[in-house]
Amino acid sequence: RKEVEQDPGPFNVPEGATVAFNCTYSNSASQSFFWYRQDCRKEPKLLMSVYSSGNEDGRFTAQLNRASQYISLLIRDSKLSDSATYLCVVTAFNAGNNRKLIWGLGTSLAVNP
Amino acid sequence: DGGITQSPKYLFRKEGQNVTLSCEQNLNHDAMYWYRQDPGQGLRLIYYSQIVNDFQKGDIAEGYSVSREKKESFPLTVTSAQKNPTAFYLCASSTYSNTLNQPQHFGDGTRLSIL
Repeated sequence: RKEVEQDPGPFNVPEGATVAFNCTYSNSASQSFFWYRQDCRKEPKLLMSVYSSGNEDGRFTAQLNRASQYISLLIRDSKLSDSATYLCVVTAFNAGNNRKLIWGLGTSLAVNP
Repeated sequence: DGGITQSPKYLFRKEGQNVTLSCEQNLNHDAMYWYRQDPGQGLRLIYYSQIVNDFQKGDIAEGYSVSREKKESFPLTVTSAQKNPTAFYLCASSTYSNTLNQPQHFGDGTRLSIL
C-alpha cells in the first residue's frame, strides 16, 4: 500500500458544481496535512493546511479523519479557474526523527463551462 | 516581494556535463529542499537542508550534489553520473520546527533536458 493515495481522476464537473476529493494515508503517526494545487507545468502552491477540527477558506473546506486515516477537500461553486491537479501532503517523523513529507500523486480536476 | 527564485527556467545538458541549478530565497526560511517531478510521478526528494552548512540526502540523491553556504542559497548540481536527468526540478523552503506544521513554498521550477 502506498503511503499516500489519491484517486488520479480526472474529475470532470460543470461550473457551479460541488466536488470532493479524498486522500488516504498509511502512517497513523502522521501529524500535519496540507492540500496543494498544481497547474499544468507550474510549481505546486499551498492551498490550505488541514486542521484536526476541519477548516474552511472561502469555497474550500478541508477535513481530517484520523480514525479512518484520510483527509478530504471540498470545493463548492466550482470555477473554471479551479481546474488543476490537487496534491495531498502528509508529514511525519522518519526513523531518524527527522521530518518527512510524503506527497500524493494528485487528483486532476477539470471544470467545464 | 519575498519569495523563492529558481534559475534558469530552462536548461539543456550535454552528455558528460555537470550543470548547476540555482535557488535563492528571501523568506528567511531555515530549511530548503530540492525535488524532482517526472510525468505521472509525484514529487521525489533529492536533498534537503535544515541549517546552513548542513544537508541530508533525500530519496533519490544519487547523481546529484548540493551546498548550503548561505541561508538564502541552496544550489543543486546535476552531475554526469545522473543518467536520466530530464525532469522538472523544484526548489522549496520552509521555516523549520519540530511541530511539523510548517508548509513548504516553491520556486517556479527549472526544466532540464538532455541535448
